Amino acid sequence: AQRVTQPEKLLSVFKGAPVELKCNYSYSGSPELFWYVQYSRQRLQLLLRHISRESIKGFTADLNKGETSFHLKKPFAQEEDSAMYYCAWSFGNEKLTFGTGTRLTIIP
Amino acid sequence: DTGVSQDPRHKITKRGQNVTFRCDPISEHNRLYWYRQTLGQGPEFLTYFQNEAQLEKSRLLSDRFSAERPKGSFSTLEIQRTEQGDSAMYLCASSLGGYTYEQYFGPGTRLTVT
Repeated sequence: AQRVTQPEKLLSVFKGAPVELKCNYSYSGSPELFWYVQYSRQRLQLLLRHISRESIKGFTADLNKGETSFHLKKPFAQEEDSAMYYCAWSFGNEKLTFGTGTRLTIIP
Repeated sequence: DTGVSQDPRHKITKRGQNVTFRCDPISEHNRLYWYRQTLGQGPEFLTYFQNEAQLEKSRLLSDRFSAERPKGSFSTLEIQRTEQGDSAMYLCASSLGGYTYEQYFGPGTRLTVT
């Protein structure tokens, strides 16, 4: 089945420590991969997508086709990074398929 | 334009009643999506429109669910004969067509069926 897997439901990291949120996908083909974020009391919003190859708020994500992974990384966590993070994929400009999400808590 | 809006934000209804939700997309966006999110899960796709045409429906969308986008602008999602299992957050998103993939989400409508 075509799916996105986020193995960690909860992740706590100390401020200033590196962050890595894991995402693995199973799909034959070349999907578009995304990270969406939902801060407390805010709507779901796009953080970054693999085709952009950009860094947003210090976060980067590299698509590893060999490992079928798209892990989200940040070298130094900040308190404002505490949020719910969802990995998602799409094929064309169509529906998004989301993982179950990882709640990231940054410990001051 | 303040982004995608949804109305109502919260709805409590009794089992068996019908409910209707509205989504107003960003004005120039021709694609509109509906998702459902239950506790502890990511959003799950329900259906999407390209202008007024409904292009895909998920198997999650039973016969009790119907969605419309009559003039290619706002959309409505109706649930008939609600069941307790319909309790969820219903999210709407919109995007430009073509190669712009970003979907912009609304705040959601939280439905509670008692």
